[in-house]
Amino acid sequence: NAGVTQTPKFRILKIGQSMTLQCTQDMNHNYMYWYRQDPGMGLKLIYYSVGAGITDKGEVPNGYNVSRSTTEDFPLRLELAAPSQTSVYFCASSYAGTGGGSPLHFGNGTRLTVT
Amino acid sequence: GQQVMQIPQYQHVQEGEDFTTYCNSSTTLSNIQWYKQRPGGHPVFLIQLVKSGEVKKQKRLTFQFGEAKKNSSLHITATQTTDVGTYFCAGPKSGNNRKLIWGLGTSLAVNP
Repeated sequence: NAGVTQTPKFRILKIGQSMTLQCTQDMNHNYMYWYRQDPGMGLKLIYYSVGAGITDKGEVPNGYNVSRSTTEDFPLRLELAAPSQTSVYFCASSYAGTGGGSPLHFGNGTRLTVT
Repeated sequence: GQQVMQIPQYQHVQEGEDFTTYCNSSTTLSNIQWYKQRPGGHPVFLIQLVKSGEVKKQKRLTFQFGEAKKNSSLHITATQTTDVGTYFCAGPKSGNNRKLIWGLGTSLAVNP
């Protein structure tokens, strides 16, 4: 049981480049989330999904896009990378909504640097 | 807006000393979750508290949820070097239980 798998682990982008952060889970969870974590800071929600075909914005969605074509996969797209997007990105999943008490399962993270 | 605040931001202790971190919400929470993140790692779920005044223990860790369900604490007895990391509390956003509001965390350093 792999849980939540993120790729790549590290990436360096030049300003203006694009990339997709991959996230897949094998726990059949309906809910999936993308967070970013800046040094010494907490977690900020970028986008989330409550099921295949359904996505919604979090606190900091600007500069990002997501899709959820299957239950397992929830890729995060950066279209025009900016230095402000330098961060650690975590994908997470949960069986139900976190407000109902369903805990989050996190991937190992992607460390992204934009120069 | 709704906020979850944690204090202290940092704590250094000698191995064997006790440690407590506090979490305070600006609103009443239906539940509160605690996570631990080791340096360079990802957050890992520790526990969830739901009931007013609830106390739960996991070995040397004791978690409490306040009577008013607006505050919580995590107490570690006799810290070990394996306790090093950042401890986060998080509660559901009012009106949207699909989102969590996170504290900024308490970073614990343990001197052997």
